[in-house]
Amino acid sequence: DAKTTQPPSMDCAEGRAANLPCNHSTISGNEYVYWYRQIHSQGPQYIIHGLKNNETNEMASLIITEDRKSSTLILPHATLRDTAVYYCIVIKAAGNKLTFGGGTRVLVKP
Amino acid sequence: NAGVTQTPKFQVLKTGQSMTLQCAQDMNHNSMYWYRQDPGMGLRLIYYSASEGTTDKGEVPNGYNVSRLNKREFSLRLESAAPSQTSVYFCASRTQPGQGGEKLFFGSGTQLSVL
Repeated sequence: DAKTTQPPSMDCAEGRAANLPCNHSTISGNEYVYWYRQIHSQGPQYIIHGLKNNETNEMASLIITEDRKSSTLILPHATLRDTAVYYCIVIKAAGNKLTFGGGTRVLVKP
Repeated sequence: NAGVTQTPKFQVLKTGQSMTLQCAQDMNHNSMYWYRQDPGMGLRLIYYSASEGTTDKGEVPNGYNVSRLNKREFSLRLESAAPSQTSVYFCASRTQPGQGGEKLFFGSGTQLSVL
């Protein structure tokens, strides 16, 4: 599976949009981009995923560049409860060895 | 529907002791995983099982063994615990391919301290 690169940390103002970048320049055609978040010491929670089209659900939006080498997770109106570590991972369709990087530690400030 | 259940939630061991961490899922998933997370760090894959009867090494398998007892259960064993194995351990299972995305579901974790 392709490796991902994320900034180690970022701050965001409450009520503003949080834009979390992820670089996956070695992604191959059958690999999906997935985002998870981990709040405090809980188990990670699925947020969203995509292949090449932009995706939106009730939690967030995912923007994938046309060349698929990078993506951005958008939290449209960040709240204090969005403070968490966010992981971007790339998964091959039906692949099994799922590894996580260090993620981005997001602090939402009042 | 409990999802992924891990036991115990907390455990303290002495160096050299052995123990088994239990994990069970009730979502009929084929794939299951064990990760460890050291303080302030990301998740590292220890072992995974793509289906009942198969297991494979992940990034950090040394010092651990696993058993995929049946489709529901995937246990992680420390034969001779070391202080370097102090960590939080997460079990996860994964939805089947073709079901609108292959999502991981995680348990609540086991906090293990080895003295």
